[in-house]
Amino acid sequence: AQTVTQSQPEMSVQEAETVTLSCTYDTSESDYYLFWYKQPPSRQMILVIRQEAYKQQNATENRFSVNFQKAAKSFSLKISDSQLGDAAMYFCALRRGDSNYQLIWGAGTKLIIKP
Amino acid sequence: NAGVTQTPKFQVLKTGQSMTLQCAQDMNHEYMSWYRQDPGMGLRLIHYSVGAGITDQGEVPNGYNVSRSTTEDFPLRLLSAAPSQTSVYFCASGRSSNQPQHFGDGTRLSIL
Repeated sequence: AQTVTQSQPEMSVQEAETVTLSCTYDTSESDYYLFWYKQPPSRQMILVIRQEAYKQQNATENRFSVNFQKAAKSFSLKISDSQLGDAAMYFCALRRGDSNYQLIWGAGTKLIIKP
Repeated sequence: NAGVTQTPKFQVLKTGQSMTLQCAQDMNHEYMSWYRQDPGMGLRLIHYSVGAGITDQGEVPNGYNVSRSTTEDFPLRLLSAAPSQTSVYFCASGRSSNQPQHFGDGTRLSIL
């Protein structure tokens, strides 16, 4: 069975500093996709970053980057120069690369930004 | 560009009532899905569809029905509402499930 675990229910960081959110997963597949989504208080889910397992290079998107450790099944999200607008719930999700169309989600990490 | 539109945004039902949550997307996405979000838990997949006329069950399908008669619409039906179905429901669409998903604003549903 596939699982996604986010072990930090809540994290806080000072504005302008860097924070890392952890995500570990379990899958027997070699081909899969990983995602980080952000859910601000407005409730809208927003894609932050996407990583394909076959790519060794870590995905980056402006201030957001991931540390993808395939052997360790770890997919952490680093947010640099944290801004007040980054305050949100962050969810990690896994999708197998075969014909299984389901996304499996972690329980989320609440990120608090201190001004 | 409307994206994914969910209606209603809020709904209160009595146990045993039925209702349909509407979801429509204007991006010509083949893949659509319904999730429920409960406190302290991630999104759980209820049903999904990979194209018009094709639907399948997700992780928590019991008590819910779906249909996909057109590419644009993917309604979720609660046939006989139960208090355990109190949740926030999200509809999402994407070109496929391994592509970024676009989410609606969610429906907060309370079953009394």
